[in-house]
Amino acid sequence: NAGVMQNPRHLVRRRGQEARLRCSPMKGHSHVYWYRQLPEEGLKFMVYLQKENIIDESGMPKERFSAEFPKEGPSILRIQQVVRGDSAAYFCASSESAPTNEKLFFGSGTQLSVL
Amino acid sequence: DQQVKQNSPSLSVQEGRISILNCDYTNSMFDYFLWYKKYPAEGPTFLISISSIKDKNEDGRFTVFLNKSAKHLSLHIVPSQPGDSAVYFCAAISNSNSGYALNFGKGTSLLVTP
Repeated sequence: NAGVMQNPRHLVRRRGQEARLRCSPMKGHSHVYWYRQLPEEGLKFMVYLQKENIIDESGMPKERFSAEFPKEGPSILRIQQVVRGDSAAYFCASSESAPTNEKLFFGSGTQLSVL
Repeated sequence: DQQVKQNSPSLSVQEGRISILNCDYTNSMFDYFLWYKKYPAEGPTFLISISSIKDKNEDGRFTVFLNKSAKHLSLHIVPSQPGDSAVYFCAAISNSNSGYALNFGKGTSLLVTP
């Protein structure tokens, strides 16, 4: 049973480009969470999604960031017109149900570097 | 606004001794607390948790203590092993407030030396 899969592991973008981060939850999990870890910081909650629905996006920056979790396929975190401050590790987690957070399983993350 | 604080960025302990990692929080609505362990280039993995109705939870070598009046919790690892060397994150959530977000501290890097 594969764990939470994130790709790419590393993503390099120039300022102004778009970044797309993908997350496939564990089999049987329909709840997906995105967290961001800036250098020397803890993980910060961004968004919580269920299939085709955004449940809580209180941690998402108001502009340039969007997330989706379609009926088929992985969850996508999209960052438009990236800036240097977007450089961070982005972690996806999934769970079978919510909000039983001890059952959050994290992926290995995508390290985004903006040049 | 850092609601969960881990004031020690790093800790070094000798193998076989006890490791004590501390965590403080400011939000009295938090009612569930978790510790995650993270190795380099990997995602965090769940280690142990405690509900606010308890003051202690033990799982093998790992014990978490909660002092609600002081808004403080600690993770004890005994005996410490070199494989425990990792970054440990304290996290908290308000389940009673229908919260979905885990609030993480900045982490404590533990080094267990042989």
